[in-house]
Amino acid sequence: EADIYQTPRYLVIGTGKKITLECSQTMGHDKMYWYQQDPGMELHLIHYSYGVNSTEKGDLSSESTVSRIRTEHFPLTLESARPSHTSQYLCASTKGGTGKTEAFFGQGTRLTVV
Amino acid sequence: AQSVTQLGSHVSVSEGALVLLRCNYSSSVPPYLFWYVQYPNQGLQLLLKYTTGATLVKGINGFEAEFKKSETSFHLTKPSAHMSDAAEYFCAVSDYGGSQGNLIFGKGTKLSVKP
Repeated sequence: EADIYQTPRYLVIGTGKKITLECSQTMGHDKMYWYQQDPGMELHLIHYSYGVNSTEKGDLSSESTVSRIRTEHFPLTLESARPSHTSQYLCASTKGGTGKTEAFFGQGTRLTVV
Repeated sequence: AQSVTQLGSHVSVSEGALVLLRCNYSSSVPPYLFWYVQYPNQGLQLLLKYTTGATLVKGINGFEAEFKKSETSFHLTKPSAHMSDAAEYFCAVSDYGGSQGNLIFGKGTKLSVKP
């Protein structure tokens, strides 16, 4: 099993609240990713990181922000949640940054903003 | 630029029947290809991957895929479907030749298995 963990698994929160989705991996992987996935839909890359102090925006524009202060930790933050942010968020990591190795995924956080 | 097309957003088979999920790719470099499975309310799990070497790749749960360069395809098959195979399946190609080195996913195919 992959050693990558996301918390919480499910979150229902009111509009305007600040939220942080946690992602941690114990594999020592340098590269980490956040994907957004609407029900029954494709995955959209919203953020990625090559390592500590590196963050990049993905293909899909997102109002969320990320940080990478430690190799194993890659949290995602929404300063003011809105109903349009309702989605599933998947965290992943890869051993290298070149794209030649498979990604390991967390179980996801299903966010509902009411 | 790399891209992936999965034909059929929904495939339904009977238990015991052949499973065939189609994936075509576009890549400017020799492709690295992956198939992932996603069960409801779960993350993605790697089924199999092709990097170099043998073009027929065997994965977990009895699945296999064949890389066909001439057809730019990487179709996923399983000889006999089980009820437990019902899930969403994603094909992905690596952008390792680009500046980012990210995985590019198809839109997914939902597999239903009828008793």
